[in-house]
Amino acid sequence: QVQLQESGPRLVKPSETLSLTCSVSGGSIRSYYWSWIRQPPGKGLEWIGYSYYTGSTNYNPSLKSRVTISVDTSKNQFSLKLTSVTAADTAIYYCASSLGSGDFDYWGPGTLVTVSS
Amino acid sequence: DIQMTQSPSTLSASVGDRVTITCRASQSISRWLAWYQQKPGKAPRLLIFKASTLQSGVPSRFSGSGSGTDFTLTISSLQPDDFATYFCQQYNTHPYTFGQGAKLEIK
Repeated sequence: QVQLQESGPRLVKPSETLSLTCSVSGGSIRSYYWSWIRQPPGKGLEWIGYSYYTGSTNYNPSLKSRVTISVDTSKNQFSLKLTSVTAADTAIYYCASSLGSGDFDYWGPGTLVTVSS
Repeated sequence: DIQMTQSPSTLSASVGDRVTITCRASQSISRWLAWYQQKPGKAPRLLIFKASTLQSGVPSRFSGSGSGTDFTLTISSLQPDDFATYFCQQYNTHPYTFGQGAKLEIK
C-alpha cells in the first residue's frame, strides 16, 4: 500500500516561492503519476498538475506559468514549486498518486501552507 | 475547462436512508468520473472510479452510475460513518476538475 507524506514550510511570504516535497513509501515511484492538489480552507479541490518519473508533466493552465513538479527517483520523492505566491495560494496542499487514468487512489494527509508576511 | 456541478450542495438524512448525489459535467466525459469522500481534517478518499467501479475496501452500500454528462452516487443505507462531504472529479480532459462538493449532514 502506497503511503505519502508532504513536508515543507508552512508559512511563505508573498512573492516568494512555495516548495513542498512528498515522500513515497510502499510502492515504486516509477509506477504512478504523481500529482499535487490543493484546497483553500473550507473550499473545493483544485488539481495543480502531475509529473511522471520520465519527466513528463502536465499542469493546470491556471497555474502553469508558476508551477514546477518533478520526481526524484533516487530519493523516492516528488516536489512542487509554486513561484510568486499571494494570499490566494493559501491552502491545504495534498500530494496524490494515480496509476494513469487520472483518478487519485492514494493521498497524503495534506499540509496547510499560509501565505502571509 | 470542464465544469463539474454537484447537487444538492447540502443534504440532511438519517441513518438507514437511501441517498443520491448527482454530478453534471459541462461536456461529455464518457465514464471518466471518480467519487471521493472527505471528512473534516482528512484527505479525500477514493470511493468509485470509472463512474461505477468500487475501489477496493469500499463498502458495497456505495454505488455509482452514469455516463456522458450525468452521474450519480448512491448510498443504499446510510451508516454513521458516511456523514461527510462528497466530491466528484472528471479525468477525461486536462485540467482535471472537481465538483464543489456535497455535504451530507445528520438530520
